[in-house]
Amino acid sequence: QKEVEQDPGPLSVPEGAIVSLNCTYSNSAFQYFMWYRQYSRKGPELLMYTYSSGNKEDGRFTAQVDKSSKYISLFIRDSQPSDSATYLCAVYNYGQNFVFGPGTRLSVLP
Amino acid sequence: GAVVSQHPSWVICKSGTSVKIECRSLDFQATTMFWYRQFPKQSLMLMATSNEGSKATYEQGVEKDKFLINHASLTLSTLTVTSAHPEDSSFYICSARAGINTEAFFGQGTRLTVV
Repeated sequence: QKEVEQDPGPLSVPEGAIVSLNCTYSNSAFQYFMWYRQYSRKGPELLMYTYSSGNKEDGRFTAQVDKSSKYISLFIRDSQPSDSATYLCAVYNYGQNFVFGPGTRLSVLP
Repeated sequence: GAVVSQHPSWVICKSGTSVKIECRSLDFQATTMFWYRQFPKQSLMLMATSNEGSKATYEQGVEKDKFLINHASLTLSTLTVTSAHPEDSSFYICSARAGINTEAFFGQGTRLTVV
């Protein structure tokens, strides 16, 4: 079993839709969870950073972590064509390297 | 967020030559820097982790004599691809973090093409 699993997509949604992106992970010891957005030919940029369980909101983005089910989610409200990118989840534990999911390609259609 | 600058953003080199990629943290001190490689439509693959002032730790399967990493200061790490071959053509990305339990910030990436 891979440490982090993520549906690669592609996921296509109409503009204005609510997007739900998800990852599952296998190691319950992970404490830190991140979502990155990567546009084509660019390096990833950090979107959300969460420690332990719970929700975190930033503008149109909400990150959720459910440690009991080892499931992390990123919700995008009122999606825009500019949100079209690959979204990568990453997990890590104190002092250890990150483990990335393979990324989900999202297309928001105008 | 903090800024990590990676240079160059793209480079084309001849087979057999060496290429150096720089990764700088502009507004924070990066105790740890990471180097990744990404092939098209694939996720990031960690190549090595470097802590300032010490030797890099390479992931299994990554040739340390081919991918030389230097992290001489808290704001600069370099990756040198030695004797590059076409199969080394890839997108190389660095990231940096200030502390063990802090988030990481990524550079813009370097697209290397070896001809």
